[in-house]
Order: sequence, then structure tokens, then C-alpha cells
Amino acid sequence: GAVVSQHPSWVICKSGTSVKIECRSLDFQATTMFWYRQFPKQSLMLMATSNEGSKATYEQGVEKDKFLINHASLTLSTLTVTSAHPEDSSFYICSATETGGLTDTQYFGPGTRLTVL
Amino acid sequence: GDSVTQMEGPVTLSEEAFLTINCTYTATGYPSLFWYVQYPGEGLQLLLKATKADDKGSNKGFEATYRKETTSFHLEKGSVQVSDSAVYFCALSPTGGGNKLTFGTGTQLKVEL
Repeated sequence: GAVVSQHPSWVICKSGTSVKIECRSLDFQATTMFWYRQFPKQSLMLMATSNEGSKATYEQGVEKDKFLINHASLTLSTLTVTSAHPEDSSFYICSATETGGLTDTQYFGPGTRLTVL
Repeated sequence: GDSVTQMEGPVTLSEEAFLTINCTYTATGYPSLFWYVQYPGEGLQLLLKATKADDKGSNKGFEATYRKETTSFHLEKGSVQVSDSAVYFCALSPTGGGNKLTFGTGTQLKVEL
């Protein structure tokens, strides 16, 4: 149980285009999902907290107009990287906490590798 | 701000060797401390956690003790197996932090026969 999937697992795009990454909780409902970014040999950096039915809360320094987050249902959150540039190339990871769960454990997806040419 | 520092890898051990991965943290108050593990091709999984000073988290033979006086949460295992090969992340969640996690850089462990 408690499986989180991400799609796609990797994507290559041209500079200036937009890319959408999906995060799904497969066997539980998730009111809250988190989006992280990981650079090579660096830690995961929290980008934003996504709450179902409301606007996402972005961490300091994260451009909300560049990284659009939509959490339209209790099992799906999407991250759209708009007008992507090579510096946006990174590993993006989502996590989810179970609505009404006994603990606040975060369940992580396998990540999406974005390469912008 | 909050931060987590863990030893750089990769750490290479022979099977049945003793494992220690050091983790220290900087935070105000009394954060919760976590170890996550990431096996190849998979997402991070919670390995163990501790929520207050002197608590010991344990799971699958791994242990870590919350040391407030040294601000540390070192991960240990008495006898590693090849199947333990993975990347290990130390993390903290601040007091009342609403699940926000601050991660260390991760330590890759390779266990050889």
C-alpha cells in the first residue's frame, strides 16, 4: 500500500517549451502533496506544498509563475514547468501524505528526470 | 535556517560489516528526525524516525538515536547485506512544521560480497 507514482519518469524538451509532470497517489487519498527538486549530489529541496482544492504554498525563492502546481483531486497533483530553460534541468520528486492517516508519513514517488536542451 | 549534514559517500562495505552513517542537524526547538532510504529505481521510503530526545528509531536491523546534546542522529546497522545497497537520506521536520522536511545530501552505500 501507500504507493505514489510519477509520470513521466524522464522527459527531454526544447528550451522555451512547457512540461507537465504528474504525481498520483495510487491507493490512498492525499489532501497534501509536496514537490521537491534534487540536483546531482545534493539534497532534496522543497519547492512547494500542494493542497487539494487550494493554491499551492511555495518556498522562498521558488518562482510560482514558472512552476505551476495544480492539485485538482485527492489523488493527483501536477507540476508544470513553463518556458523551460536548461537551468531547469533537474530531478523532480513528489510526495504525499494520507488524508486522515494515523501518521504524517510522506510517501515518495520515484522521481522525474527533466532535461532541457 | 534548518539544515542537515551527513557524511559523503559512497560508503563501500563487505557483507556482514558494521555500518555507521553520520548525521548532524541544526534546528531550533525539538525537530523530528528521520532516515529515508532510496533503492535503485524507486522512491524514497521511510526507514525509521524519532520524535524526541533520546528516542531510538529502529527498523530492519537499522537503528538511530536522537542525541539532543550532540545534535546528531547517526544511522547504524550491525551486519549489512548486499540488499542494503541504496542511498540513505537523513532529514528533519521542525517543531510544528506541518510535515516540511529538510534533507541531507544523501549517502550512497554499496555492500559487496
